[in-house]
Amino acid sequence: DTEVTQTPKHLVMGMTNKKSLKCEQHMGHRAMYWYKQKAKKPPELMFVYSYEKLSINESVPSRFSPECPNSSLLNLHLHALQPEDSALYLCASSQDVGVHEQYFGPGTRLTVT
Amino acid sequence: QQQVKQSPQSLIVQKGGISIINCAYENTAFDYFPWYQQFPGKGPALLIAIRPDVSEKKEGRFTISFNKSAKQFSLHIMDSQPGDSATYFCAASILNDKLIFGTGTRLQVFP
Repeated sequence: DTEVTQTPKHLVMGMTNKKSLKCEQHMGHRAMYWYKQKAKKPPELMFVYSYEKLSINESVPSRFSPECPNSSLLNLHLHALQPEDSALYLCASSQDVGVHEQYFGPGTRLTVT
Repeated sequence: QQQVKQSPQSLIVQKGGISIINCAYENTAFDYFPWYQQFPGKGPALLIAIRPDVSEKKEGRFTISFNKSAKQFSLHIMDSQPGDSATYFCAASILNDKLIFGTGTRLQVFP
């Protein structure tokens, strides 16, 4: 089973709200990723977690705060977002950061009003 | 040096035809080249991948051709079907490093 699940599917939030995106995988993968994808563009890497520790932060603004509570779960906490942050947020996982095959979830469509 | 250039931006193919998408890279340290398929409103799905020690890899109707000397690789979709209509992204990476995606190709297959 190569399934990565994400909730919610859609999220609309105001610029003063606080919300969280959730990602879960049960493949025993030890690396998990957050990507941001704008319309008609490729995914852009935001964060990488390896063995539940943050290993890569691609200079993402602090209004995005990742968290990895355990090896199966990945959260992205959102606060004081801007309208330009509206995008599809994708979670992915791989067996390890040294193993290339990344499996993506269906994404959360975020709209910031 | 970290870019992956993908072409064409869009492609229209008749059902049963061959779809060909091309990618080129500069960094000779890249050692993994996957292709992802993405339907509207969905996440990218890993379709097929190749490493530079192999010149071709085939999985069903999908084939990757890899030219190490030219630093190019391509995806061939044989007997293209309307259900193949999607956006395709090539990518490249170095061990322990992130995926570098191409800009994407929107494929439309008409009956």
